Amino acid sequence: QKEVEQDPGPLSVPEGAIVSLNCTYSNSAFQYFMWYRQYSRKGPELLMYTYSSGNKEDGRFTAQVDKSSKYISLFIRDSQPSDSATYLCAMSHYGAGSYQLTFGKGTKLSVIP
Amino acid sequence: DAGITQSPRHKVTETGTPVTLRCHQTENHRYMYWYRQDPGHGLRLIHYSYGVKDTDKGEVSDGYSVSRSKTEDFLLTLESATSSQTSVYFCAISVDGASSYEQYFGPGTRLTVT
Repeated sequence: QKEVEQDPGPLSVPEGAIVSLNCTYSNSAFQYFMWYRQYSRKGPELLMYTYSSGNKEDGRFTAQVDKSSKYISLFIRDSQPSDSATYLCAMSHYGAGSYQLTFGKGTKLSVIP
Repeated sequence: DAGITQSPRHKVTETGTPVTLRCHQTENHRYMYWYRQDPGHGLRLIHYSYGVKDTDKGEVSDGYSVSRSKTEDFLLTLESATSSQTSVYFCAISVDGASSYEQYFGPGTRLTVT
């Protein structure tokens, strides 16, 4: 079992829809939970991070962490064509002198006008 | 882009040749990382550095070496390139201090080994 599982999609939604992206994990040592957005042929861009269980909101984006279920989600409200990208979840734990990130494989999202 | 540049941005090379990729940062952060990204595998850590001349291996370090002689530069070398090393390579930095778990990525280098 991989430490981080993420449905690769692809996921296609109409403009204005609510999008839900999810990851599960198996390593209880993960402390920080992050979402990256990656446009085609670009580097990943940090969208949001959370530390504890619960919700964190930033504009149209909400990150949710449930440590008891080892499950994290990213919700996008009022999705826009500019949200079309691959979304990567990442989880961090401290080891060997630095924070190490473990990534999901990414979910490709297309928002259709 | 967190002040990170990578060079070259694209490279085609032949099997068996040595290749060096360069990552340059402008903000003197202590931690730097090299990842590769492949379809079906996501981002995987190759090597990382926690200071000048201080480096360590990541998940997929076989066939790669790194060097860091200056804070701003982190070099990744493929000693003898193989077709399995065809990939997109990303450099990342993490900021010093309390937020050092956050990593910021460069634009990537697309390497093709023929």
